[in-house]
Amino acid sequence: DARVTQTPRHKVTEMGQEVTMRCQPILGHNTVFWYRQTMMQGLELLAYFRNRAPLDDSGMPKDRFSAEMPDATLATLKIQPSEPRDSAVYFCASGFLIQRGPNNEQFFGPGTRLTVL
Amino acid sequence: AQTVTQSQPEMSVQEAETVTLSCTYDTSENNYYLFWYKQPPSRQMILVIRQEAYKQQNATENRFSVNFQKAAKSFSLKISDSQLGDTAMYFCAFMKTSGTYKYIFGTGTRLKVLA
Repeated sequence: DARVTQTPRHKVTEMGQEVTMRCQPILGHNTVFWYRQTMMQGLELLAYFRNRAPLDDSGMPKDRFSAEMPDATLATLKIQPSEPRDSAVYFCASGFLIQRGPNNEQFFGPGTRLTVL
Repeated sequence: AQTVTQSQPEMSVQEAETVTLSCTYDTSENNYYLFWYKQPPSRQMILVIRQEAYKQQNATENRFSVNFQKAAKSFSLKISDSQLGDTAMYFCAFMKTSGTYKYIFGTGTRLKVLA
């Protein structure tokens, strides 16, 4: 049963520390997304990759957030330095998305709950 | 730009009853996809049902069905024979058929099924 995996599932850190979240997309998927979920803002798209190339990271605070996809099996989201307002659940999602594809949908990982003290 | 609106922040329904969650959207696109996702307390986002705009027939998945009104830009979810396990947050999402494939999410409806 193919699924998106994310590590860690929970992370508690202190303000100013670096945080790295990892995602393994479903094998064969060509698009990877990073979302952030908070009570106030709901689900926000932070960045996404297509065939490992970054396409849009306009939703991401550039000064502290960075997203990379070093290979087809790993996507990373890094926050440096972290701040209390970064506390949220971060989701990774992947999909095999093509024009008018019959199976166009995103598959979500279980999320990483980040708490910055 | 596309927008998705879920006007019901919270709803409740008695077990075994039927409930309808509403979703409206705004787009100038003619071809697109619409989705309903369920997010239980575990936080996992689970796809409930999807609809392709060029298909006139409403999608159905077991106890879940949609009422897709393209002209009215409405996409409601009907849950029949509600079960306690249906208690969750439900999100409506829009995606274009080409280009970015980004989801535009609504703000969600929290559904509670009462025993």
